[in-house]
Amino acid sequence: QKEVEQDPGPLSVPEGAIVSLNCTYSNSAFQYFMWYRQYSRKGPELLMYTYSSGNKEDGRFTAQVDKSSKYISLFIRDSQPSDSATYLCAMPDRAAGNKLTFGGGTRVLVKP
Amino acid sequence: NAGVTQTPKFQVLKTGQSMTLQCAQDMNHNSMYWYRQDPGMGLRLIYYSASEGTTDKGEVPNGYNVSRLNKREFSLRLESAAPSQTSVYFCASRTASDSPLHFGNGTRLTVT
Repeated sequence: QKEVEQDPGPLSVPEGAIVSLNCTYSNSAFQYFMWYRQYSRKGPELLMYTYSSGNKEDGRFTAQVDKSSKYISLFIRDSQPSDSATYLCAMPDRAAGNKLTFGGGTRVLVKP
Repeated sequence: NAGVTQTPKFQVLKTGQSMTLQCAQDMNHNSMYWYRQDPGMGLRLIYYSASEGTTDKGEVPNGYNVSRLNKREFSLRLESAAPSQTSVYFCASRTASDSPLHFGNGTRLTVT
């Protein structure tokens, strides 16, 4: 079993819809959480990170963490075609020098 | 500001050939990383350098060597390429262990 599980998709939504992405993890040493966005043929870029349980908002993006369930989510409101990308969750392992463990990524397609 | 620069962008090798992937960052980051990304497997850490003068193995180091040439540059060498090393290779850097990673745009390697 992988330490971080993520549905690969693809997830296809119409423009303006809410996109809901999630990851589950098994390692209790993961204490903070990141979401990266990766456009085709590009490197991942940091979208959001959060340390605590609960919600964090940044514009159209909301990151949600439930440590008791080992479950994190990313919501994209009013989705745009430019949001079409692969979204990867990532978790630093403090017991291993904060090396990041990545989920496999969910491919999102927002149709105009 | 270039960020993390990887060369070459594309490469095709025959089995048994060797090559070096180059990575340079201009952000004065202390730590540098090499990942490979394969469909369904996500990003997997090959080697990393927590600081200039140190290198350590990651999750999938077999068949690779690295050199931290100076604070800016971190190269990845394939001594005898195998078809299993066909992948997209990403270099990344960060200033400290609790900072987010900054990625290059990858080297797409095919081994025939």
